[in-house]
Amino acid sequence: NAGVTQTPKFRVLKTGQSMTLLCAQDMNHEYMYWYRQDPGMGLRLIHYSVGEGTTAKGEVPDGYNVSRLKKQNFLLGLESAAPSQTSVYFCASSHLSYEQYFGPGTRLTVT
Amino acid sequence: AQTVTQSQPEMSVQEAETVTLSCTYDTSESNYYLFWYKQPPSRQMILVIRQEAYKQQNATENRFSVNFQKAAKSFSLKISDSQLGDTAMYFCAFFRVVGGADGLTFGKGTHLIIQP
Repeated sequence: NAGVTQTPKFRVLKTGQSMTLLCAQDMNHEYMYWYRQDPGMGLRLIHYSVGEGTTAKGEVPDGYNVSRLKKQNFLLGLESAAPSQTSVYFCASSHLSYEQYFGPGTRLTVT
Repeated sequence: AQTVTQSQPEMSVQEAETVTLSCTYDTSESNYYLFWYKQPPSRQMILVIRQEAYKQQNATENRFSVNFQKAAKSFSLKISDSQLGDTAMYFCAFFRVVGGADGLTFGKGTHLIIQP
């Protein structure tokens, strides 16, 4: 039982490049979330999903897209990376939507 | 929208002492949960303790306990017999139950340092 895993763990992008972050969970959770964490800040919600095939915007969705084609996977895409997207990205999942289990995070640097 | 405020950016105590981290929140919701998460240098987010707003009894988990004051919208975390492994960032988080699939709202965190 791996819990919540994130791929990759680290990534460096140049401005304008695109990439996809993968989140996978093996707990059969309905709800999945993407957060970003910046220095001196708590985590902020980017997008979330309440089930396969559904997604919704969170607090800071601009510049990101998401997809939930399979229940166990939640993908976060950056179509044209900007330095302001340099951050640590966390994925989380939950069954009852209040107790969330977090992945180990992905550190993304955009130069 | 709800907000979570942690007014102590950093705290430092000696090992074995008791320390209290403060958190206040603002919401118009009546049904919600509050959490404390720990983030050690490994950056993994670890759930420390959870409090349901409808419960009057304060939650406890071993050395960790909360003081939940619903009317004052205050949710402090007390760590007893602090240990070196308690050194970490601590985040207070809010979750509203009705329509709450839109995720947790976090405070900015308190960096707790346990000195040997």
